[in-house]
Amino acid sequence: QVQLVQSGAEMKKPGASVKVSCKASGYTFTNYYIQWVRQAPGQGLEWMGWINPNSGDTNYEQNFQGRVTMTRDTSISTTYMELSRLRSDDTAVYYCARANYGQVTIDFEYWGPGTLVTVSS
Amino acid sequence: QSALTQPASVSGSPGQSITISCTGTSSDVGSYNLVSWFQQHPGKAPKLLIYEGSKRPSGVSNRFSGSKSGNTASLTISGLQAEDEADYSCCSYAGRSTYVFGTGTKVTVL
Repeated sequence: QVQLVQSGAEMKKPGASVKVSCKASGYTFTNYYIQWVRQAPGQGLEWMGWINPNSGDTNYEQNFQGRVTMTRDTSISTTYMELSRLRSDDTAVYYCARANYGQVTIDFEYWGPGTLVTVSS
Repeated sequence: QSALTQPASVSGSPGQSITISCTGTSSDVGSYNLVSWFQQHPGKAPKLLIYEGSKRPSGVSNRFSGSKSGNTASLTISGLQAEDEADYSCCSYAGRSTYVFGTGTKVTVL
């Protein structure tokens, strides 16, 4: 069965960086895009970008350009989302989600449990 | 891009039907049949309910249905049950490989 396991909660100071991991299992890692979505406390979901684990190609939401980097390590079926120059309003739960672009178009089919990132001085 | 607009809250009694709207623009909802809907219980990850506007993944109850008219997508929950009390969010493809989520709707079962 498809599983996405994310790294644990992080507490960071303003200006620092955070790197969240998302380890996939139960399917061929390189065949499915990974999306990243965040949710600030009490707020809605916010799309951050995606990575193609096969090619490493990425596409980021414009608001995160220059601050976010998504990478992958195919040897351990893991994708990473690094956010730099953290601000207090980056405090959120960060989710990875697997897409499915085969015979159907399912942009967010399976979700990881989320990683809470708290930014505070 | 701006978030899609959803009502903050919708409520209904058990057994009733409710509809949640998701209003976008001609650049997202209106241009593509690629709206997804998610259910999220407190402290949990979102769960996919609808994809490609009206299709249900395996295992999702047929009480959930999706549709679209112009720039507005809708999720209808029929035969409302206590377990349907949760937050619901829509998401649309917005062109150039980007996506936009809705503002979210809290569903209360009276």
